[in-house]
Amino acid sequence: SQTIHQWPATLVQPVGSPLSLECTVEGTSNPNLYWYRQAAGRGLQLLFYSVGIGQISSEVPQNLSASRPQDRQFILSSKKLLLSDSGFYLCAWSPGLAGVNEQFFGPGTRLTVL
Amino acid sequence: AQSVTQLDSHVSVSEGTPVLLRCNYSSSYSPSLFWYVQHPNKGLQLLLKYTSAATLVKGINGFEAEFKKSETSFHLTKPSAHMSDAAEYFCVVSGWGAQKLVFGQGTRLTINP
Repeated sequence: SQTIHQWPATLVQPVGSPLSLECTVEGTSNPNLYWYRQAAGRGLQLLFYSVGIGQISSEVPQNLSASRPQDRQFILSSKKLLLSDSGFYLCAWSPGLAGVNEQFFGPGTRLTVL
Repeated sequence: AQSVTQLDSHVSVSEGTPVLLRCNYSSSYSPSLFWYVQHPNKGLQLLLKYTSAATLVKGINGFEAEFKKSETSFHLTKPSAHMSDAAEYFCVVSGWGAQKLVFGQGTRLTINP
């Protein structure tokens, strides 16, 4: 069966510090991968998605970036965090097969920028 | 383009009573529709999905949803609420086979003892 991991689970960082969040998927190949942010009391905002190694689509201009160095690894980064980057970050995967588009979510990372 | 509107930001019911969470969608072609549940500080879990097969879709934990094309609705129901159902629920729409999902703003379900 497939599993998705995210780490760290929680993170407290000062403004201006760098960020690296990691997501890995097990038990599948060639998945589509997604990064979402969920601000307090709000819905989900799609940040990035990837259909293959090195292929990244950005949904919202911001100071975050994403990379996919391996088939089942997706990394969210920032060089300098802003207060507005605080939130709950969710990674998700989908099978990437024709007609199959449900997404499966990881446990999330709670980021607090002080 | 697709969009989804969850008609209630907060629903409160008593334990053992029925649950109804309302969702309307807009799609220029045959949509895929989903309901996800999120417990506090957790990831989202897929409850059920509609992909143009049966209009009444059964999901996990006793939930079901009915696709009504004439009303562009996909309401989520459960006959009898349980305390463990307290969570945030998201209605989601996508074009068939599309790579991206469009999420509603969520409905917070509270269960009163």
